[in-house]
Amino acid sequence: EAQVTQNPRYLITVTGKKLTVTCSQNMNHEYMSWYRQDPGLGLRQIYYSMNVEVTDKGDVPEGYKVSRKEKRNFPLILESPSPNQTSLYFCASGGPRGYEQYFGPGTRLTVT
Amino acid sequence: GQNIDQPTEMTATEGAIVQINCTYQTSGFNGLFWYQQHAGEAPTFLSYNVLDGLEEKGRFSSFLSRSKGYSYLLLKELQMKDSASYLCAVRDQRGGSYIPTFGRGTSLIVHP
Repeated sequence: EAQVTQNPRYLITVTGKKLTVTCSQNMNHEYMSWYRQDPGLGLRQIYYSMNVEVTDKGDVPEGYKVSRKEKRNFPLILESPSPNQTSLYFCASGGPRGYEQYFGPGTRLTVT
Repeated sequence: GQNIDQPTEMTATEGAIVQINCTYQTSGFNGLFWYQQHAGEAPTFLSYNVLDGLEEKGRFSSFLSRSKGYSYLLLKELQMKDSASYLCAVRDQRGGSYIPTFGRGTSLIVHP
């Protein structure tokens, strides 16, 4: 089954404790991206990757890191999480036609 | 940057037709998307417009006017399961990359 998977789905952590949210897709897509979704603000792009070893900042990259060492994986790293990073995070990968995106199920992160 | 406006909430009756509008301002327009997002779930792709006109896909149609910076999503024969948030997103060309920016979404409530 074609899909985007994220882990963990839910995470409660404390300020300053490094964490990684994994994202994996099995559709051989070149394009992958990370978004956060907050009430009243909609989806905002954090980072995106056009291909292996090619990453770039989206609209809200501060406090986040990413890497793209393999085509299928695009982990999101929070080196020192803060409460303002409490949010719902979505990973997405780009479709074969080059425009639609397929989203993972989401990771709900709470930083206390 | 971009500015995307869509109504916050709309209500409609089962079996009826509803039109969700989206206006945008962008410097490097490269396509407009509509996504559907049910509460607690990931967004799913509905439609893509890059040229002016109407794209029809079953009960859903999407219209684009680039000169007016305007799009709408038309939902016909509404069903209860159409109750969801509808996200308008505009893809902007920045340098050599295509960056999507999402609106805040329109929450559609379908009642019997």
